[in-house]
Amino acid sequence: DAGVIQSPRHEVTEMGQEVTLRCKPISGHNSLFWYRQTMMRGLELLIYFNNNVPIDDSGMPEDRFSAKMPNASFSTLKIQPSEPRDSAVYFCASRLGEGAGELFFGEGSRLTVL
Amino acid sequence: GENVEQHPSTLSVQEGDSAVIKCTYSDSASNYFPWYKQELGKRPQLIIDIRSNVGEKKDQRIAVTLNKTAKHFSLHITETQPEDSAVYFCAASKGYSSASKIIFGSGTRLSIRP
Repeated sequence: DAGVIQSPRHEVTEMGQEVTLRCKPISGHNSLFWYRQTMMRGLELLIYFNNNVPIDDSGMPEDRFSAKMPNASFSTLKIQPSEPRDSAVYFCASRLGEGAGELFFGEGSRLTVL
Repeated sequence: GENVEQHPSTLSVQEGDSAVIKCTYSDSASNYFPWYKQELGKRPQLIIDIRSNVGEKKDQRIAVTLNKTAKHFSLHITETQPEDSAVYFCAASKGYSSASKIIFGSGTRLSIRP
């Protein structure tokens, strides 16, 4: 397997624009997580899915952020409208089975909002 | 919800010396504690984990200890080498459900001085 695949790797956009980040988890993994990494706040959990169902979105900063997982092999994280404070690296991770399993991270999407 | 605190935020040690990173968690129901290593510009990767039915686990030069009563756990790296330079994250999870989320500490930037 190619691992968790994220796109785009880098995104530079202007304030107010819509941003869509994409993730393909490892085949067979049943949990998917979106994290945001900044110097100030470390790795923040935004939302996670289990069997394509959102379980906890309490980490989503505000209504500008939304996430979907229409099927087991694809998830999106959307920011609309984007703001400079959204600049960060966004990681997607997937996990197989129980909660005590390893998280496999994608390479991340570095977002810069000007 | 769960909160994980990690100290120190930065750590510099002489090559060959030992490094210790400490974490505390708030939710006594947490029972799975992984540690992830993130090299510069790379994704976080699991290096070792421990479950609450075990007090200590060792893998070559790294070891983790867990004190359930005090709700803290630590990462110990002995005989440090230049390739140990990275950011280390502790995490906590209620690992008995496939719908369990993993909450990370704020990270420790470890530098190994030659």
